[in-house]
Amino acid sequence: GAVVSQHPSWVICKSGTSVKIECRSLDFQATTMFWYRQFPKQSLMLMATSNEGSKATYEQGVEKDKFLINHASLTLSTLTVTSAHPEDSSFYICSASRGLPYGYTFGSGTRLTVV
Amino acid sequence: DAKTTQPTSMDCAEGRAANLPCNHSTISGNEYVYWYRQIHSQGPQYIIHGLKNNETNEMASLIITEDRKSSTLILPHATLRDTAVYYCIVISGNTGKLIFGQGTTLQVKP
Repeated sequence: GAVVSQHPSWVICKSGTSVKIECRSLDFQATTMFWYRQFPKQSLMLMATSNEGSKATYEQGVEKDKFLINHASLTLSTLTVTSAHPEDSSFYICSASRGLPYGYTFGSGTRLTVV
Repeated sequence: DAKTTQPTSMDCAEGRAANLPCNHSTISGNEYVYWYRQIHSQGPQYIIHGLKNNETNEMASLIITEDRKSSTLILPHATLRDTAVYYCIVISGNTGKLIFGQGTTLQVKP
């Protein structure tokens, strides 16, 4: 149980275009979802916390107008990277939680390359 | 949220127990200790978590000191597939945020 599906697993897009990444909890309802970014040889950096039906809470330094997060249901959250640029190329990972102490389940990640 | 300190890297011989330490001296009473691992280019995988008592599951054991200021993750019989970055994380019951440190890179060697 507790499976999180993330799609797509990789995407290449042109500079200036937008990319949407989906995160779905398949067998549980996620009260909270988190979005992370990871650069090569670095740890995961929390970008934002997403609660169903409310606006996402962004970490300091993360541009909310560039990284649009929508959490429309208890099983789906999306991250849209708007007007992508090469510096946005990274590994994006989502996580879903049913609340403590059940823990957090991670998606398999999305490798974004902006050319 | 409490911060954690882990060694940057460790080696372990295949078949032997791997003991990964974590220091969380500023942990509060309602904060859990979680362990995850990340194999290259994959999402983190949950291993185990605990609050006060020692815990064991099919993957590992978690030993938490009585004062809760440190813990040790034990992989009883390490295999080559256990080579990964291991993260010890303290999660606040209030914020629920999962903040990653740098973790410990465990290299299991034949």
